[in-house]
Amino acid sequence: SQQGEEDPQALSIQEGENATMNCSYKTSINNLQWYRQNSGRGLVHLILIRSNEREKHSGRLRVTLDTSKKSSSLLITASRAADTASYFCATDGSSGYSTLTFGKGTMLLVSP
Amino acid sequence: NAGVTQTPKFQVLKTGQSMTLQCAQDMNHEYMSWYRQDPGMGLRLIHYSVGAGITDQGEVPNGYNVSRSTTEDFPLRLLSAAPSQTSVYFCASSFYGLGGRHTDTQYFGPGTRLTVL
Repeated sequence: SQQGEEDPQALSIQEGENATMNCSYKTSINNLQWYRQNSGRGLVHLILIRSNEREKHSGRLRVTLDTSKKSSSLLITASRAADTASYFCATDGSSGYSTLTFGKGTMLLVSP
Repeated sequence: NAGVTQTPKFQVLKTGQSMTLQCAQDMNHEYMSWYRQDPGMGLRLIHYSVGAGITDQGEVPNGYNVSRSTTEDFPLRLLSAAPSQTSVYFCASSFYGLGGRHTDTQYFGPGTRLTVL
């Protein structure tokens, strides 16, 4: 079963605009991660935020985590055509030997 | 470092055939896992391992076997291929998190695209 669910399923914007994607999950987590997948490629890790963190930045990426609402958002500022990809959130559980559960992803299209 | 490597890149099988997807990593990661990705389904965990000699089932383990005899290698075996196993398969590895209670950043291989006729 999918723990994280991304919203929207697809997002189309112009270069220079900001892109916001959301992720909701169901059970307690230790950390939440965001990954990017370019068409036909493997996933690439973007950022990891732990349950005791509320916000994290990495370059043009900003991730927030609200554990009370069981939700996270990924903001990409000043989008570029090269940001076109699918973005997935992944969460782990709170028990030992944890596994990562991925959502179905948000497909982002950035037009020049 | 080569990172996570997977072979083959593409494979076509007939129903009932068996095969092994290879995965290797050179980062000395304890944790390795196999996912399948189907359109509209995201990634689903098949099997994972937290170290040599230790494996466990994920969300969709039926029809697949794994073993972990070394830290570097984590092969995935399809015992008797079925059309429902047509998918893209990704192997991933990571360090095992603090206290062994949560997974760290996953490093993914490039994937194997499998078609079962």
